Amino acid sequence: KNQVEQSPQSLIILEGKNCTLQCNYTVSPFSNLRWYKQDTGRGPVSLTIMTFSENTKSNGRYTATLDADTKQSSLHITASQLSDSASYICVVSVGAAGNKLTFGGGTRVLVKP
Amino acid sequence: DTAVSQTPKYLVTQMGNDKSIKCEQNLGHDTMYWYKQDSKKFLKIMFSYNNKELIINETVPNRFSPKSPDKAHLNLHINSLELGDSAVYFCASSQDWVGRGRPDTQYFGPGTRLTVL
Repeated sequence: KNQVEQSPQSLIILEGKNCTLQCNYTVSPFSNLRWYKQDTGRGPVSLTIMTFSENTKSNGRYTATLDADTKQSSLHITASQLSDSASYICVVSVGAAGNKLTFGGGTRVLVKP
Repeated sequence: DTAVSQTPKYLVTQMGNDKSIKCEQNLGHDTMYWYKQDSKKFLKIMFSYNNKELIINETVPNRFSPKSPDKAHLNLHINSLELGDSAVYFCASSQDWVGRGRPDTQYFGPGTRLTVL
């Protein structure tokens, strides 16, 4: 069964600190993996998109990594800011044509001053 | 300019009613989507249209019917609303279907919070 599992479910960090979110997937065949940020009451915003051949991709203070062999991805937030408080969702595209999306349950991050 | 817009933002209605949610994108994209986010914040894809043709229908009850009059619009009509339909519905768009090898960015609308009483 195709699954995407994220950990931790929630996380509290102090402003200025770094944190890493995990995404493990069992989908096959893999097409691409996306990380989204969703602020409370708003739609998700795309952070990174990685295909099979990409190991790392950055978007400002957000850096995503992908290990296609172990089927793991991580999202690292550097020097967290209060505005990083949000849910972070990992989504994997499944299928040779990637015609199915499998969503993780998200990680809620709260950055405290 | 808003890239993906939805109306209404809030919708409160009684069980059994029929309602519609409208979505428009001004990005010139070929693909549009409807997602449902439940109270546990889990996002589920419902439908996807590419060039006005339905390409994904994720086992959604047939009370839900998407309609795409043109590439810039994808409306969602819901018949005989049930309590379990209460959720936030998001519209999204991308140049091509996001599941293909092409890593197209997907843009989401602000969401419509539907409450069925």
